[in-house]
Amino acid sequence: EVHLVESGGGLVKPGGSLRLSCAASGFSFSTYSINWVRQAPGKGLEWVSSISSSSTYIYYSDSVKGRFAISRDDAKNSLSLQMNSLRVEDTAVYYCARDGRGSTGRYFDYWGQGTLVTVSS
Amino acid sequence: QSALTQPASVSGSPGQSITISCTGSSSDVGDYNYVSWYQQHPGKAPKLMIYEVTNRPSGVSDRFSGSKSGNTASLTISGLQAEDEADYYCSSYTSSSTELFGGGTKVTVL
Repeated sequence: EVHLVESGGGLVKPGGSLRLSCAASGFSFSTYSINWVRQAPGKGLEWVSSISSSSTYIYYSDSVKGRFAISRDDAKNSLSLQMNSLRVEDTAVYYCARDGRGSTGRYFDYWGQGTLVTVSS
Repeated sequence: QSALTQPASVSGSPGQSITISCTGSSSDVGDYNYVSWYQQHPGKAPKLMIYEVTNRPSGVSDRFSGSKSGNTASLTISGLQAEDEADYYCSSYTSSSTELFGGGTKVTVL
């Protein structure tokens, strides 16, 4: 069974940094693209970033480009999101989500339970 | 890029059919058959309901169906049931290789 478990969320001050992790199991992690999707409290979903197999292709939303960095460790079946220069508007539940397509185009067939990041002074 | 446009809310009685629209542009919905739909119950992670415009994942009821015309995709729920009450989001691949979500639609079963 596919499992994605996020961790690393918490309270951080504006301008601070935080590193999120996503532990994967139940599938061949190295062969799938994985994404981060966030949801601000009471708001809709927002795609944040994706990383392809072998880290060949990496994409970011304009709202986080230059501040966030996605990476993966296939040996440990894990995904990370390094978040720097955090802003109040980055406050959200962050989900990791598997891309079921694996080539041009994407859809998110499995999701973790999410980890809450709160940016506040 | 702005979010895809969805109605804020749609409602229907049990057994009825409802349709949720998702309007984008020629750079996303209109140019790719990579539209997907997600159901989210309060406090839960989203669940994939439709992918690549019309495809249903294994285990998703055939009461859910998807379509697309031009820059607008649609999700139809037939035979509405109480358990269908949730938020629904569309998403589309874009010409920038990014992903764009809709603002979400709250479905209420009357």
